[in-house]
Amino acid sequence: QITLKESGPTLVKPTQTLTLTCTFSGFSLSDRAVAVGWIRQPPGKALEWLALIYGNDEKRYSPSLNNRLTITKDTSKNQVVLSLTNMDSVDTATYFCAHRLRLFPSHINYFDPWGLGALVTVSS
Amino acid sequence: DIQMTQSPSSLSASMGDRVTITCRASQSISVYLNWYQHKPGKAPSLLIYGASSLQSGVPSRFSGSGSGTDFTLTISGLQPEDFATYYCQQSYTTPWTFGQGTKVDIK
Repeated sequence: QITLKESGPTLVKPTQTLTLTCTFSGFSLSDRAVAVGWIRQPPGKALEWLALIYGNDEKRYSPSLNNRLTITKDTSKNQVVLSLTNMDSVDTATYFCAHRLRLFPSHINYFDPWGLGALVTVSS
Repeated sequence: DIQMTQSPSSLSASMGDRVTITCRASQSISVYLNWYQHKPGKAPSLLIYGASSLQSGVPSRFSGSGSGTDFTLTISGLQPEDFATYYCQQSYTTPWTFGQGTKVDIK
């Protein structure tokens, strides 16, 4: 059974850096078919994909946030860490991490399962 | 970026109703389209992947169809546990993008 859980601060100040950790179990992040992604949802708004890291350490970032985001993995700890610099009130959101599977040879891919999410509020 | 447009943004339905939600992509995405269900305070859950493949464990009353730019999620016989918000997501290319969601509530 695959599970993921997000952890990190619930409140950050403007201009600070947010660091969130996704701790997972039930799979190994060492296979090229497997990845972990981060998705956020501002209150009352839609889901927004942020970043993804593959088992071979390839990374993908949302272009709209590319210069503020960093994603890393610690395979030995089964953790993926997301950092978002220069936080602003518009970054207030629930942040989800999710297991991403890619099927071969079709390359059909999807996020499943997801963690419960971590609500992060940006306020001074 | 590929824009995903869902309609309607919300709908009211009764138990047992057949519900159809549509999702349109701003360019062709073949069958790289997923559907998720999200309830408040819970993790989003995958319903359909590859436009029409039912995720394991998902009831057969959920079905998906479409290819190219136009896609449909159908719930055949709405159940109490189906009242939620549904999102489509294109997995064709980065940045992966979601529709704005369709909230299904009780009439």
